[in-house]
Amino acid sequence: QQQVKQSPQSLIVQKGGISIINCAYENTAFDYFPWYQQFPGKGPALLIAIRPDVSEKKEGRFTISFNKSAKQFSLHIMDSQPGDSATYFCAATVTGGGNKLTFGTGTQLKVEL
Amino acid sequence: EADIYQTPRYLVIGTGKKITLECSQTMGHDKMYWYQQDPGMELHLIHYSYGVNSTEKGDLSSESTVSRIRTEHFPLTLESARPSHTSQYLCASIAAGFYNEQFFGPGTRLTVL
Repeated sequence: QQQVKQSPQSLIVQKGGISIINCAYENTAFDYFPWYQQFPGKGPALLIAIRPDVSEKKEGRFTISFNKSAKQFSLHIMDSQPGDSATYFCAATVTGGGNKLTFGTGTQLKVEL
Repeated sequence: EADIYQTPRYLVIGTGKKITLECSQTMGHDKMYWYQQDPGMELHLIHYSYGVNSTEKGDLSSESTVSRIRTEHFPLTLESARPSHTSQYLCASIAAGFYNEQFFGPGTRLTVL
């Protein structure tokens, strides 16, 4: 059972455009929602994360929007750059439950010049 | 950059061989994790540990085993490798604190012929 559903599977955006990746979850016990960025041949690295008590979090060009009632959250990358080309994973966890992350299926982002 | 190391980075072996994938972290983290990831796909938790002498199986069934004799070391062993074990194996550890960021190692790409 896929507890965190992620879309789209792949995304092509022009340089300077906005990249939007969406995730939906089922387990209402999840209380921490990170996004990870992974480059080929590397391990994932935390990009930005949010807790359900806020609806939005922004760090530089990266913003998470969170809709608790809809059980959805999304990553927005403003002014997308070729260096942003990577695979992005949303994830969710119950922080009191061993911090085991449940990952989405990933989105391969390509930013074209 | 997180201080979590994995060796070897790449391994090609024949069927039936016993292998151990090494994972070490110098951050003093209590919780450590092993994930299995096929190229471009989601990460699946296969083992985790909350501290020395603590090991648990993850959400994805795996024929591998792990041990945690020292806080900094969390090796994964396959007693008899098979082609179905071909995958990337990622080790992670987590810092205590509010944001619970998991730090990932660079991964070991295993190919079993």
